[in-house]
Amino acid sequence: EAEVAQSPRYKITEKSQAVAFWCDPISGHATLYWYRQILGQGPELLVQFQDESVVDDSQLPKDRFSAERLKGVDSTLKIQPAELGDSAMYLCASSPVIAGANVLTFGAGSRLTVL
Amino acid sequence: AQSVTQLGSHVSVSEGALVLLRCNYSSSVPPYLFWYVQYPNQGLQLLLKYTSAATLVKGINGFEAEFKKSETSFHLTKPSAHMSDAAEYFCAVSVRGSYIPTFGRGTSLIVHP
Repeated sequence: EAEVAQSPRYKITEKSQAVAFWCDPISGHATLYWYRQILGQGPELLVQFQDESVVDDSQLPKDRFSAERLKGVDSTLKIQPAELGDSAMYLCASSPVIAGANVLTFGAGSRLTVL
Repeated sequence: AQSVTQLGSHVSVSEGALVLLRCNYSSSVPPYLFWYVQYPNQGLQLLLKYTSAATLVKGINGFEAEFKKSETSFHLTKPSAHMSDAAEYFCAVSVRGSYIPTFGRGTSLIVHP
């Protein structure tokens, strides 16, 4: 069964350092999402891509976060500099198209701890 | 903007007992509704979805949910809980035009032997 791949699974860093997360969506899925899930809360959308274009990044803290999907396939989410409040699970998801009851397939996530 | 409210951050049941997880939504247009499950250290998996075809939706692992427009609810039920059902459950809503799901805060299901 096709999966959304994410790495690293776990990342511990000190504040002010740079971190990066990678996501490889299901082959053929045009839409890719990055969500942030703080412990005890639901996922919150950070950025959505349609192919290589950003559709929605209104909730992405652009002073420190950046995301790219250069060839419309895999994607990287970067945080620089990391802050204590960035400790969370970063979930990547993908879907075939943006339409109807849009079902997302999630990766296992990248858990970030900022010390 | 659409939103969901999940009543109860934790629900505890005995094995074999009825499971009821509550979700109320807010949307100015007809919604699409979803329930996802998250096991420890894993991503979210779809349990079921409502697309307006039928108000009672059956999902995987014996779960079902009923869409009640008058109550703006989409509660998740299972007749008999198994130990393996212990997980975090998220209700989500999306609407035409946006299609991006908005998630609730989640309900942790605890199953006692």
